[in-house]
Amino acid sequence: GQQLNQSPQSMFIQEGEDVSMNCTSSSIFNTWLWYKQEPGEGPVLLIALYKAGELTSNGRLTAQFGITRKDSFLNISASIPSDVGIYFCAGFHSGGSNYKLTFGKGTLLTVNP
Amino acid sequence: GAVVSQHPSRVICKSGTSVKIECRSLDFQATTMFWYRQFPKQSLMLMATSNEGSKATYEQGVEKDKFLINHASLTLSTLTVTSAHPEDSSFYICSTTQSATEAFFGQGTRLTVV
Repeated sequence: GQQLNQSPQSMFIQEGEDVSMNCTSSSIFNTWLWYKQEPGEGPVLLIALYKAGELTSNGRLTAQFGITRKDSFLNISASIPSDVGIYFCAGFHSGGSNYKLTFGKGTLLTVNP
Repeated sequence: GAVVSQHPSRVICKSGTSVKIECRSLDFQATTMFWYRQFPKQSLMLMATSNEGSKATYEQGVEKDKFLINHASLTLSTLTVTSAHPEDSSFYICSTTQSATEAFFGQGTRLTVV
């Protein structure tokens, strides 16, 4: 099946630092989604990207949909302790089943106060 | 965004018993829902696609007789783990999507089989 390569696998940062994570794929995706998951909870949608080149912000979060539709990044600025969690990229694949999501393996973020 | 309610959030059961997990779409009619399984520190693994009024579609390697899915209404899908064993202990999550633009997830169910 389709795969999303997400990196880094984990990050340990100090409060106030900026964070960047990305996802790449060998195939084209129609939609890129970024989720955050906290322990014992389901993933919560942070940002949705629909157009190639689209840059979207949600508070301290910024994400971009790559021009080739094969990659996306998520930036978190001025991190705070509550940013801790696992961040997943996900996408709806072009040409495949329109309703199945493909997930990256996640980035575990730890923020030290 | 859409609200998906999953119940229970935690369940402990004895080996050999069955457990039912409910997933409700609260603010739109969901013809399709998805069930995922997640192991610690891993990503979500799609188990099956639940289709309202028809049989669920299972991913390769997922036993349909073990994980029974019923999608009898446009707002409710259930996953029943039959004859549960300790290796079935996991975090189960449902999701739904109105179109291939966004997907919303339930709160998850932590199943522990003892």
